Amino acid sequence: DIQMTQSPSSVSASIGDRVTITCRANQGISNSLAWFQQKEGRAPKLLIYAVSTLQSGVPSRFSGSGSGTDFILTISRLQPEDFATYYCQQAYSVPITFGQGTRLDIK
Amino acid sequence: EVQLVESGGGLVQPGGSLKLSCAASGFTFSGSALHWVRQASGKGLEWLGRITSQVHNYDTAYAASMKGRSTISRDDSKDTAYLQLDSLKTEDTAVYYCVRPIDGTTLLDYWGQGTRVTVSS
Repeated sequence: DIQMTQSPSSVSASIGDRVTITCRANQGISNSLAWFQQKEGRAPKLLIYAVSTLQSGVPSRFSGSGSGTDFILTISRLQPEDFATYYCQQAYSVPITFGQGTRLDIK
Repeated sequence: EVQLVESGGGLVQPGGSLKLSCAASGFTFSGSALHWVRQASGKGLEWLGRITSQVHNYDTAYAASMKGRSTISRDDSKDTAYLQLDSLKTEDTAVYYCVRPIDGTTLLDYWGQGTRVTVSS
């Protein structure tokens, strides 16, 4: 199984800040990497797929980059609604695996 | 509008069984794969398995943690998918989601609201 490791596990930031979350796969997954946002008590929401393609309706302050095994989610100019938990997911092969999550909260 | 509605969760004793349902609407269910993902309280997301469409022979795949203890099936005439859970353990306590992927991919796009399963004596 492909293991996905996210860092940090939690981060505190202020409105307007820029935040980066990293995700590393233990083997190459090409560009088969997605990012999800999950708010408390809600189902996850697909934000980005294929490393850097924004899902419809996702604000442009979200961006993704990387290739092979190392990937980054960047949120520029944090807004109040961005405080949530973020997960990466490899879509390269079954079994699908997720990172352990990064909790983003207000400083 | 794509909708997935899970049901069938509840309280079950260790060693017991439960069958979860996922009723779909707003898209051509028969042409879509369907995945199940769970999340224990305060924990991360765990993929459980998936079933493909008839075109791909209703192929199933499971996470190692659930292999032999779960069965995914579907009834295209009812636009419904199922997750049968057997030999349940306390660590299976979680919210269970069904998820529709983007066509032809394993990108988990549309999620249901989840159904809670509690395994306790």
